[in-house]
Amino acid sequence: DIQLTQSPSTLSASVTDRVTITCRASQRISNRLAWFQKRPGKSPQLLIHTASRLESGVPSRFSATGSGTEFNLSISSLQPDDFGTYFCQHYYTYPYTFGQGTELEIK
Amino acid sequence: QVQLVQSGAEVKRPGASVTVSCKPSGNTFSGFYIHWVRQAPGQGLEWMGWLNPNSAVTHYSQKFQGRLTMTRDTSIRTTHMELSRLTSDDTALYYCARGPAGWLQFIDSWGQGTQVTVSS
Repeated sequence: DIQLTQSPSTLSASVTDRVTITCRASQRISNRLAWFQKRPGKSPQLLIHTASRLESGVPSRFSATGSGTEFNLSISSLQPDDFGTYFCQHYYTYPYTFGQGTELEIK
Repeated sequence: QVQLVQSGAEVKRPGASVTVSCKPSGNTFSGFYIHWVRQAPGQGLEWMGWLNPNSAVTHYSQKFQGRLTMTRDTSIRTTHMELSRLTSDDTALYYCARGPAGWLQFIDSWGQGTQVTVSS
């Protein structure tokens, strides 16, 4: 199975800060990667698919890059609503797997 | 925005089976897959498999082969996920999710989740 390793595991930042989360795959996955935000008590929400394509309705402060084994999700200017846990997921080969999550706390 | 409405919480004994239902909004079953993902307490997300509700074709993660069944009922436009031979390790929040059919099988919408508790 392909392992996805996210870093950092936790992140504390202030409103208007720029933050970046990294997701590394244990083998090449082309651009078959998605990013999700999950707030406590809520279902996950798709932010990015195909490594860098912003999902419709997601604010443009979210962006992502990467291909192969290294991927980054950035939030250009943190807003209070951006707290929660961020997950990456690949859909390159079966079984699809998720990263362990990055918990983002707003200071 | 697509909505997926799941059935309610379940409590099961070890060895039993559980069925969770998921009804997507809209009036067609074509163009998308239904995925099932679970999250055990304190654990990460785990992808279980997908169902093409239009054709009933499925793909299951090897981990669940032999005890996972995904089906659909076209008359009521509802999909089902059955997990058999339950153990305490199957205690988790189960999500159905939707994504486009075809070669880019990402998930774009999630249900509200169904808590399944396995306890003697």
